[in-house]
Amino acid sequence: QVQVVESGGGVVQPGRSLRLSCAASGFVFSSYGFHWVRQAPGKGLEWVALISHDGSKRYFADSVKGRFTVSRDNSENTVHLQIDTLRPEDTAVYYCAKTRNFGDYGAFDFRGQGTRVTVSS
Amino acid sequence: DIQMTQSPSSLSASVGDRVTITCQASQDIRNFLNWYQQRPGKAPNLLIYDASYLETGVPSRFIGRGSGTDFTLTINNLQPEDIATYYCQQYDNLPWTFGQGTRVEIK
Repeated sequence: QVQVVESGGGVVQPGRSLRLSCAASGFVFSSYGFHWVRQAPGKGLEWVALISHDGSKRYFADSVKGRFTVSRDNSENTVHLQIDTLRPEDTAVYYCAKTRNFGDYGAFDFRGQGTRVTVSS
Repeated sequence: DIQMTQSPSSLSASVGDRVTITCQASQDIRNFLNWYQQRPGKAPNLLIYDASYLETGVPSRFIGRGSGTDFTLTINNLQPEDIATYYCQQYDNLPWTFGQGTRVEIK
């Protein structure tokens, strides 16, 4: 059974850093790319980042480029999103989603409930 | 970036109705278009992938059509559990982008 659990959110002051984690199980982790998608309070969905199945490619939305980094550990079945220099506009629920198909492209398969990040002084 | 425009932004319909949501891309995205349902307080859930393919476990009353720049999601025989916000999303070009969402309510 496919499971994804996001963690690491919380209330953080502007300018600080935060590391979100995504732990997965129930499938061949190393065969799938992983995305991070966020949703600000009362707003729509925004794609944030993708890390390819083997970790060799990373892509970011312009709104987070230079402040967000993404990594994965295929031996631990985990993906991490490092968020530096947090801004109030980073306040959102962050979802980790695997790609629906083998590889790095295609639809998002959301299995977790997200982790909430609040940036406030 | 490819802009995805959904209409309407919200709609209200009765149980048993047929509702249609449209999604227009700012450029040709072939069939690289997905639809998601997000119930209140929950994570999004994939309904339709590659414009017209029904995700496993999704009721057959959900139908996706279109290619190029114009797409539709039709919900036949609207049910109370269909109360949600629906999003289209393209993956033809980076960055992947979503429509602004369509909120569906029951009259």
